[in-house]
Amino acid sequence: KAGVTQTPRYLIKTRGQQVTLSCSPISGHRSVSWYQQTPGQGLQFLFEYFSETQRNKGNFPGRFSGRQFSNSRSEMNVSTLELGDSALYLCASSKEGQGPSGELFFGEGSRLTVL
Amino acid sequence: GQQVMQIPQYQHVQEGEDFTTYCNSSTTLSNIQWYKQRPGGHPVFLIQLVKSGEVKKQKRLTFQFGEAKKNSSLHITATQTTDVGTYFCAGLTGANNLFFGTGTRLTVIP
Repeated sequence: KAGVTQTPRYLIKTRGQQVTLSCSPISGHRSVSWYQQTPGQGLQFLFEYFSETQRNKGNFPGRFSGRQFSNSRSEMNVSTLELGDSALYLCASSKEGQGPSGELFFGEGSRLTVL
Repeated sequence: GQQVMQIPQYQHVQEGEDFTTYCNSSTTLSNIQWYKQRPGGHPVFLIQLVKSGEVKKQKRLTFQFGEAKKNSSLHITATQTTDVGTYFCAGLTGANNLFFGTGTRLTVIP
């Protein structure tokens, strides 16, 4: 069974640019959640999508957005990049979402560097 | 706001020593999960605790969920170099929001 796939694995952008990251969940998983991981802030929840609907949202500015497609694949977008957006962006999938049966399966992450 | 605090932030132990990390939530949790992230890797699910006072064991790892469902601990007996990594707890609130602890980075000295 294939795991969670994130692309690209590494990318470098400059301030002001925008970036789109992609996540393909495990087959059969309908929930995809996104996290930002930095050395100083740890794992911070961005948002969760379930059946193409945003179900939960963390405390991030509107520059961070996402969507989920009918095949459960998800994308997140960060516009007007800032230096502080440099981080490892992790995607996690689960069958039912962040609930009682919500074991999360994480991808390898997309490491974004903003110069 | 809701947050899950985890201590210690770092722990260095000699191989063979025990290790414990603690999580505390400001509010009652529906459940708590534990994850391990190896250096350069991604978090991997270890276990989920649901019941008040629950204790679960996985070989040398013992997980506890407090009676009030506000705190949890992970204890590793006789650490090995393969235990190196960062251990995160993740607490689920009644509103189905999952909050990760800040993590404890474990270093095991051979």
